[in-house]
This record gives sequence, structure tokens and C-alpha cells, in this order.
Amino acid sequence: GAVVSQHPSRVICKSGTSVKIECRSLDFQATTMFWYRQFPKQSLMLMATSNEGSKATYEQGVEKDKFLINHASLTLSTLTVTSAHPEDSSFYICSARPLAMVAKLFFGSGTQLSVL
Amino acid sequence: RKEVEQDPGPFNVPEGATVAFNCTYSNSASQSFFWYRQDCRKEPKLLMSVYSSGNEDGRFTAQLNRASQYISLLIRDSKLSDSATYLCVVTGMDSSYKLIFGSGTRLLVRP
Repeated sequence: GAVVSQHPSRVICKSGTSVKIECRSLDFQATTMFWYRQFPKQSLMLMATSNEGSKATYEQGVEKDKFLINHASLTLSTLTVTSAHPEDSSFYICSARPLAMVAKLFFGSGTQLSVL
Repeated sequence: RKEVEQDPGPFNVPEGATVAFNCTYSNSASQSFFWYRQDCRKEPKLLMSVYSSGNEDGRFTAQLNRASQYISLLIRDSKLSDSATYLCVVTGMDSSYKLIFGSGTRLLVRP
């Protein structure tokens, strides 16, 4: 089946640093990728929708200057958490929608971010 | 009000038990409905889609009631490996197929 690779799987960083998370569709092209965040014992919350070649659409309450999303190609989207703080510590996960299967979504394995 | 509401559980059941999860959603225009399974700190995995006519996949049966905006999942003959969090998921109104997740119901199956 379709594979979405997400790296890194775990990041520990100091407060104030920036962290980049990559999401790659390995065997399909994805026009749309979604970025979610999940705090402990809570649901996955959609942060933004990323479309190849255009600006990401952010959900209400998500700071676009803090969570920079780049979707420069049909197989790669990146999320950069800028000037991370402890409250940004969370599980971040991407999903990708293939060009050929618009009703299907494939998830990356997630990134656990811990900001000290 | 949350868009998708679930009982957080946990449901603690013995092996072989039958367990049912419920979910309600607030947007009557939601188009597609799913149950996902998520193990701790892993990505969610699609368990099954949910249709108004009801659908079954082995030990799992899902049902959708559009009038009541209610979705259910029934697990029969539960196994230890069924222990996980079960997420009720609906798509948004538009064609973007944004998934809106419930907070999940935790299931613990004991020997």
C-alpha cells in the first residue's frame, strides 16, 4: 500500500530553537497534505492543509508564523516549528492524499516533539 | 460543542466480550464517516468506513444513523490485540477530505 514517511520520529530540543519535520509520500504524488497535532489523551487536531505550490490553509487558532508549512513538490511537505517552547511539545502527524485516490488518506508515523 | 464526541472510556473488558462504542457528530452536512484505531503514540490506522446501511468486517460492525447524527462500532469476541484507542472520524463539508477526529475511546481487553 501507499507509504508516507515522516521524519524525525522523535525530537528533543531546547526552548527557542526551530524544528523541521518532513513528510514524504514515497510511492505516490500528493496534491494535498494535512498536518495534525495531538496532545496527550486528546484527539488529533488539524493544524493546516498544505497544497502543492500554494500557501497552506491554517485552522483557526493556529499561528501561521509559528508553524511554517512548505509544500514545494508533489511528494514533500515540511512543517517547521519556529522558536519552539515547552507548550509546543506534542505529537505531530502528517497525512497525504494521493492524486489518483482523492478519498484516501495515508498517515505518516508521527513525530514526538519535546521542548525543554 | 465538539464536532465529534466520544466517551473517552476506558472500557475494560475480558477476552471474548462484546463491546460497543458510540459517537455523535454535530455537523449534519458531514459526508463520510470512519472508525480508526490508534495505538499509543502511533499513527491512526483506518479500521473501517461507516455506511447508513451498516457494514461488517469480521468481528467488527459499524453503523451510521444520519437522522440522529450517531455512529457506532461493535466489536465481538474481543481479543487482547484489540486493546487500543478507537477514533470516530468524519470528513468536513468540502471536498478537501479534511478528517475531523473524535478524542477517542480507549479499550483495554484483559486475559
